[in-house]
Amino acid sequence: DTGVSQDPRHKITKRGQNVTFRCDPISEHNRLYWYRQTLGQGPEFLTYFQNEAQLEKSRLLSDRFSAERPKGSFSTLEIQRTEQGDSAMYLCASSPSLGTGELFFGEGSRLTVL
Amino acid sequence: EDKVVQSPLSLVVHEGDTVTLNCSYEVTNFRSLLWYKQEKKAPTFLFMLTSSGIEKKSGRLSSILDKKELSSILNITATQTGDSAIYLCAVSEGGAQKLVFGQGTRLTINP
Repeated sequence: DTGVSQDPRHKITKRGQNVTFRCDPISEHNRLYWYRQTLGQGPEFLTYFQNEAQLEKSRLLSDRFSAERPKGSFSTLEIQRTEQGDSAMYLCASSPSLGTGELFFGEGSRLTVL
Repeated sequence: EDKVVQSPLSLVVHEGDTVTLNCSYEVTNFRSLLWYKQEKKAPTFLFMLTSSGIEKKSGRLSSILDKKELSSILNITATQTGDSAIYLCAVSEGGAQKLVFGQGTRLTINP
């Protein structure tokens, strides 16, 4: 499978714990995006990388959230001191820099904070 | 603030009916409008529209963009139960290809 892969697919944690999600984009794509989707809503943009550089962060990304893409390949999204409001589906997407505008999405990592 | 609004939010029809889903947008640096279908997990790409008035078609699905009205419609004819899904409209802006999504339309097709 050469699509976008995310891990873990589902994470249940207690409030106050830290969680980390990993995204492996399509190998030739140098742009990588993180989105958050809550029930009944469309995906909300969190952050975007071009290669290893984080070029844009949404104001939704509080200081408890950090994302990295150290070698311009896979990316991690860490949430520290989780809160119940962090419960959501975290979607990763990738695209080539000279693409048509289409983003290719992974199947998401669902976070449940108890 | 950039905004994408979809209507209706929910729609229930019978198999064989034709449906029209609406999307309107307000973005500062419009590049393109995209439609995605989301069944259970990952959104899957349907169409990308950049030019006004040119219809894109794929089987029973078609879509058109009206840049003057800042809107788009997605039509599905002869609906099937497999068309049941959330349909997402998104607008691409600026050079980052960042997508701003609407809330989605939940379409349910009853047999």
